[in-house]
Amino acid sequence: DTEVTQTPKHLVMGMTNKKSLKCEQHMGHRAMYWYKQKAKKPPELMFVYSYEKLSINESVPSRFSPECPNSSLLNLHLHALQPEDSALYLCASSQGPPYNEQFFGPGTRLTVL
Amino acid sequence: GQNIDQPTEMTATEGAIVQINCTYQTSGFNGLFWYQQHAGEAPTFLSYNVLDGLEEKGRFSSFLSRSKGYSYLLLKELQMKDSASYLCAVRGSGGGADGLTFGKGTHLIIQP
Repeated sequence: DTEVTQTPKHLVMGMTNKKSLKCEQHMGHRAMYWYKQKAKKPPELMFVYSYEKLSINESVPSRFSPECPNSSLLNLHLHALQPEDSALYLCASSQGPPYNEQFFGPGTRLTVL
Repeated sequence: GQNIDQPTEMTATEGAIVQINCTYQTSGFNGLFWYQQHAGEAPTFLSYNVLDGLEEKGRFSSFLSRSKGYSYLLLKELQMKDSASYLCAVRGSGGGADGLTFGKGTHLIIQP
C-alpha cells in the first residue's frame, strides 16, 4: 500500500458544527502532516507529528485540533470554524529520518457556511 | 523565515523543453523539492535535491546550487498532460520532521 487516504472527500459544515477529518497511511511512515490550501495558493503547513507526537504547530487557531491516535492515523478535529477556513485540507506522510519525500493524500474539500 | 520565488505562469509547446526556475532565501536549508499539482488534485512528488548538482528522473531533471539559493526543474519532451502547477518547496534545517514551505507555484500551459 503506497498511498495516503483521506476522508471525507468533501465536507460542508456550519459555523457551530463539530466535524473531523481523517487521514490514514500504511507505509510505515513515522511523520505525518496537515496542510491547508486555499484556491490558487500553495499549501501552507499547519501541524507536524513525528512518532505520534506533535512536533510543529504553525500558530494554528485552536478551533483546529489535531490528533494522532497511532502511527497510521491522523485526525483533524474542527469546531466553530469560520467561512474563511474553507479550503482544501491535505494530509501527507514521510518516512522517519531523513524525512525526505512527502506523500500527499487527495485532500478534503471543506466548505464552511 | 523562508522566501521562495518562482514565475507565476509559463507557456511551452508540446514536444519542447521548458525550464522552471526557483530562487530561495531561507534561515535554514535541508533540501529542495519539486511537486506537480493538477487543478483540484493533491501535489505529486517529482524530485528532491539536497546537494549541489543535477538529479535526472526520466523526462524530469532538477538542479540545485546552494550557494546561489537557486534551483530549476527541467521538463523534456513536453506532453499535454504536463499542463499543471509546479511547486518549488524548501525544508527547514530542524533536523527532525519538518514541514515544507512552498513557493506560489508556476502554472505551466502546454500548447499543441
